[in-house]
Amino acid sequence: SQTIHQWPATLVQPVGSPLSLECTVEGTSNPNLYWYRQAAGRGLQLLFYSVGIGQISSEVPQNLSASRPQDRQFILSSKKLLLSDSGFYLCAWISGSGANVLTFGAGSRLTVL
Amino acid sequence: GESVGLHLPTLSVQEGDNSIINCAYSNSASDYFIWYKQESGKGPQFIIDIRSNMDKRQGQRVTVLLNKTVKHLSLQIAATQPGDSAVYFCAETYNYGQNFVFGPGTRLSVLP
Repeated sequence: SQTIHQWPATLVQPVGSPLSLECTVEGTSNPNLYWYRQAAGRGLQLLFYSVGIGQISSEVPQNLSASRPQDRQFILSSKKLLLSDSGFYLCAWISGSGANVLTFGAGSRLTVL
Repeated sequence: GESVGLHLPTLSVQEGDNSIINCAYSNSASDYFIWYKQESGKGPQFIIDIRSNMDKRQGQRVTVLLNKTVKHLSLQIAATQPGDSAVYFCAETYNYGQNFVFGPGTRLSVLP
């Protein structure tokens, strides 16, 4: 069966520090991968998506970046965090072919102080 | 695919009553829709989906209705239970694509 893992689950970082959130998917190959951000009490904002290794599409210009070094690994990064980067970050995947259901990870809560 | 939200709308229902959560979607070309449930501090979980060639689909205690004429989607939960308390999101995509647009979400509170 397919599973998706995100870590860390919780992170508190000072303004100006770097960020790395990781996401891995098991049990599938060539998935489409997504990073979403959710501010408190709000909906889901698509940040990045990837259809393959090294292929990243950005939906919103910001100080975050994403990378896909391996087929089932998706990383969200920042060189210098801003206060406004605080939020709940969700990784998700869809099979590259077949079913269209977007499946989410458990999320990573980032607090920037 | 940004979902712009203010404070989430809230629906309060008595335990045992039926709940109806509504969603107005934006793209008349959307052909696939999903309802998600998100509990506090967790990722959204798939509840039920529907394709545009259908107007109704039923699951266990849940029913999704699709009205393409007015671009409206609803989720009905029968005999609402305390465990149903969560935020519910609708999501749409078109051409059975893989980039979804999410609604702003509705918070469901189940009263004892």
